[in-house]
Amino acid sequence: AQKVTQAQTEISVVEKEDVTLDCVYETRDTTYYLFWYKQPPSGELVFLIRRNSFDEQNEISGRYSWNFQKSTSSFNFTITASQVVDSAVYFCALDNYGQNFVFGPGTRLSVLP
Amino acid sequence: EAQVTQNPRYLITVTGKKLTVTCSQNMNHEYMSWYRQDPGLGLRQIYYSMNVEVTDKGDVPEGYKVSRKEKRNFPLILESPSPNQTSLYFCASSLGLGQGIDTQYFGPGTRLTVL
Repeated sequence: AQKVTQAQTEISVVEKEDVTLDCVYETRDTTYYLFWYKQPPSGELVFLIRRNSFDEQNEISGRYSWNFQKSTSSFNFTITASQVVDSAVYFCALDNYGQNFVFGPGTRLSVLP
Repeated sequence: EAQVTQNPRYLITVTGKKLTVTCSQNMNHEYMSWYRQDPGLGLRQIYYSMNVEVTDKGDVPEGYKVSRKEKRNFPLILESPSPNQTSLYFCASSLGLGQGIDTQYFGPGTRLTVL
């Protein structure tokens, strides 16, 4: 069975601090996809990144970066120089060809001014 | 504008009264899916559809029905709602590429309360 664990339920940081959100996944499949979504207080779900299991290259997009390590089944998300607008619930998710799209429980990030 | 729409956005109902939550997308996506979001549990997949007339169960299908008669619509049906189905529901769609699921676009959510 597939499973996604986000051990950090809530994190609070002060603006401009860096913060890393952890994601650990379990799957028996060799091909899969990993995602991060953001859910701001307004409630919508915003896509952040999709990563193929064969592509372990880290990715940076502005203040966001992702570290994919297949050896530890982790797909961690780092926000550099956090801002108040980053306050949201962040979900990591795992996809097996759409047949079992599994979300983690989410990490609530609060960025304080 | 490319979007996924859900109706209604808010619904309060009573136990046993059949209801339907509609979902429609205008992006010609093949893949559509329903999720429920509950505190501490994240989003859990209820049903998904790879294409018209093709539906399959997700992790928590009990008490729900779906149909996919047209590509753009994927209604969620609760034949006899119960209080444990009180939740926030999201519909999503994606191209459904041959390998894996492309970016899923989510609707705005439907907050359902069953008394």
